[in-house]
Amino acid sequence: KQEVTQIPAALSVPEGENLVLNCSFTDSAIYNLQWFRQDPGKGLTSLLLIQSSQREQTSGRLNASLDKSSGRSTLYIAASQPGDSATYLCAVTLRDSSYKLIFGSGTRLLVRP
Amino acid sequence: GAVVSQHPSRVICKSGTSVKIECRSLDFQATTMFWYRQFPKKSLMLMATSNEGSKATYEQGVEKDKFLINHASLTLSTLTVTSAHPEDSSFYICSASLEEQFFGPGTRLTVL
Repeated sequence: KQEVTQIPAALSVPEGENLVLNCSFTDSAIYNLQWFRQDPGKGLTSLLLIQSSQREQTSGRLNASLDKSSGRSTLYIAASQPGDSATYLCAVTLRDSSYKLIFGSGTRLLVRP
Repeated sequence: GAVVSQHPSRVICKSGTSVKIECRSLDFQATTMFWYRQFPKKSLMLMATSNEGSKATYEQGVEKDKFLINHASLTLSTLTVTSAHPEDSSFYICSASLEEQFFGPGTRLTVL
């Protein structure tokens, strides 16, 4: 059974810091891995999607890497801003006919001004 | 593109009543839609997979008679919480799939 874990559960940093969020998964048979952002009481915003054949994806100040063999992904946020404060969720898509997404428990990020 | 809407965004109901939540893909057709439930400060838990024209597939532990899912068209799936109770209060989120899943904004259900 696929399990997704995110560390740390919560993180508080001063504005301007570069930071890394971690995601690990137990089964390397994935179709892709996604990082999402969720603001309180809101839905999900997709940040980056990495296909299983890819090693990383970049969008602006965000960079996500994928090491399928070790079951790990990292989300790197450069020059953090207070507007980055949110919960970040990673999720893997199962490589079976269901295309189900299995979510991690999330990292709650607070960027202090 | 790939916009998914949910209606209503918030609903408050009395215990024992039924509540219907709609999930629509606005600019694409989705043969598969997913329904998730999220408790405060917790992650999303998949409730069921909804396929157009067929019965939904429920995850283990989800009562199919409690959470009725209908996927009548390629752009609409509905989740009905029947005989709602306070423990059904939660944030419900749907997604529509085009290989990648696109998420709706969620519905906050409060059962008094």
